[in-house]
Amino acid sequence: DTGVSQDPRHKITKRGQNVTFRCDPISEHNRLYWYRQTLGQGPEFLTYFQNEAQLEKSRLLSDRFSAERPKGSFSTLEIQRTEQGDSAMYLCASSGGLASYNEQFFGPGTRLTVL
Amino acid sequence: DAKTTQPPSMDCAEGRAANLPCNHSTISGNEYVYWYRQIHSQGPQYIIHGLKNNETNEMASLIITEDRKSSTLILPHATLRDTAVYYCIVRAPNAGGTSYGKLTFGQGTILTVHP
Repeated sequence: DTGVSQDPRHKITKRGQNVTFRCDPISEHNRLYWYRQTLGQGPEFLTYFQNEAQLEKSRLLSDRFSAERPKGSFSTLEIQRTEQGDSAMYLCASSGGLASYNEQFFGPGTRLTVL
Repeated sequence: DAKTTQPPSMDCAEGRAANLPCNHSTISGNEYVYWYRQIHSQGPQYIIHGLKNNETNEMASLIITEDRKSSTLILPHATLRDTAVYYCIVRAPNAGGTSYGKLTFGQGTILTVHP
């Protein structure tokens, strides 16, 4: 399967714990996005990488959140001191190529439950 | 990015055409119209996009009005597997500006296809 993959698919944690999610984009894609989706809402943009550079961060991304893409390939999203409000689906998407209208390919998401 | 307005829900009989409307009256001249859908518990899936002209691919057709203030996504022969949330998104191209291609999702239209 050459699509976007995310790991783990599900994560249950206790409030105050740290969690880390991984995203493996489509191999030739240089753009990588993280989104968060809560129940009944559309996905909300969190952050964007072009290769290894993090070029945009949403105000939703508090200082407890950090994202990296160290070699311009896979990316990690870490949440420190989790809160119940962090419970959501975390989606990763990638896109690539030079055309100005590249569609984004989404992974299956990581569902986080904070108890 | 321009705001979009979609009906919260629609029904369609299996085998019939599903016509999903979207209003985007504040669209700018360089903004594209994108449609994505999200089947339950999966990541969003790209369907189609357009700028001015009507577009068709293997999944759907996109009709954009001449003034570009509204569009309609057409699924010509809906199946039960087309039951999903459909998102209409208006977005500036990747090149230039500071949007970096991020997608701004609304709440979408829940399409239910009935047998």
